[in-house]
Amino acid sequence: AQRVTQPEKLLSVFKGAPVELKCNYSYSGSPELFWYVQYSRQRLQLLLRHISRESIKGFTADLNKGETSFHLKKPFAQEEDSAMYYCALASGGSNYKLTFGKGTLLTVNP
Amino acid sequence: EAGVTQSPTHLIKTRGQQATLRCSPISGHTSVYWYQQALGLGLQFLLWYDEGEERNRGNFPPRFSGRQFPNYSSELNVNALELEDSALYLCASSSLGYRNTEAFFGQGTRLTVV
Repeated sequence: AQRVTQPEKLLSVFKGAPVELKCNYSYSGSPELFWYVQYSRQRLQLLLRHISRESIKGFTADLNKGETSFHLKKPFAQEEDSAMYYCALASGGSNYKLTFGKGTLLTVNP
Repeated sequence: EAGVTQSPTHLIKTRGQQATLRCSPISGHTSVYWYQQALGLGLQFLLWYDEGEERNRGNFPPRFSGRQFPNYSSELNVNALELEDSALYLCASSSLGYRNTEAFFGQGTRLTVV
């Protein structure tokens, strides 16, 4: 069974500090991983996907198959980064589904 | 372009009743997904519909069911409501049920069972 673990429910940093939101996964196949974000009073939306290897809003995430991790990082946090972050794993084929972690609430303090 | 829309935004039912939640996907999207977001449990996958057929379901009892209509909109039905069914129900849509496809989410329906 596939599983996504986000060990931190809450993460608080100061503006300008580096931030890392942890995500570990369990999946027997080749994983496809995503980070979704939910800002206050907004709907859940895609932040980035590992296959794109892109940086969005200064965030990056690298898939580490050896450690089965997909941590989200940003070198200098901004107050507007405060939000709920969900790591998600997509399985393939006829059993496709997107499995989410429980989320990490990031608070960036001024 | 209109996003994924869900109705109603709030729903209050008593235990044992049935609830019907509705979702309209983004135009052109054929896949619809339903998730339950209960307090402390995160997003739990409920159902996936594509081209009018149920393709996959999560670990929920059969009283959670749904359907997808020819226009790709979808209904989620919850029968014999229990108190623990109280949660935010999110609908998402994508153009294809493929792994690399972005899922677009609605604002959700808050179901309260009393």
